[in-house]
Amino acid sequence: SAVISQKPSRDICQRGTSLTIQCQVDSQVTMMFWYRQQPGQSLTLIATANQGSEATYESGFVIDKFPISRPNLTFSTLTVSNMSPEDSSIYLCSVLSSGNTIYFGEGSWLTVV
Amino acid sequence: KQEVTQIPAALSVPEGENLVLNCSFTDSAIYNLQWFRQDPGKGLTSLLLIQSSQREQTSGRLNASLDKSSGRSTLYIAASQPGDSATYLCAVMIKAAGNKLTFGGGTRVLVKP
Repeated sequence: SAVISQKPSRDICQRGTSLTIQCQVDSQVTMMFWYRQQPGQSLTLIATANQGSEATYESGFVIDKFPISRPNLTFSTLTVSNMSPEDSSIYLCSVLSSGNTIYFGEGSWLTVV
Repeated sequence: KQEVTQIPAALSVPEGENLVLNCSFTDSAIYNLQWFRQDPGKGLTSLLLIQSSQREQTSGRLNASLDKSSGRSTLYIAASQPGDSATYLCAVMIKAAGNKLTFGGGTRVLVKP
């Protein structure tokens, strides 16, 4: 299994500001993903974080809005830029571990006011 | 495009009754299917992973079946307890799509004492 730590766990942000979420894994993993869960909704994949290269974004998500870094095999960041109330969501980091099992962090709960 | 549906969206049962949660997917070319549990204010906890070559997986009171040809999976929870109250999510992985997960909308379960 993999233990995933996300920071911050919660935050209240002002409209127009940006926030960076950190994801730290206790072991090296090949694949890391960022998901968004809007209130009352299921999870939607934002992007796959690639180590040493640009992230691969899903339809509807762009790098200017959600820049992602992955400097090594245990760490990634997601930035939510120029936030609006529509960005109020849970942002979850996940990793692909052995046996093709996906593990999730506890999530970062963002409220934009 | 893979679509995952979970029925019912919500379920309320008295303690001790068996739970049956359904998940259906449109594209049978999956690599595996995973069931998760999400408690309010928390991230996702992996419950069971079924590889495409398997027909079921069991862990304690939980049993998940997979019928790939018909695009269905069922999660059974025996002798439900109030602590089983949570949202249950199923997700399918398509290896050809970069090991990404496509999630269902979830089933919100309430077990009444």
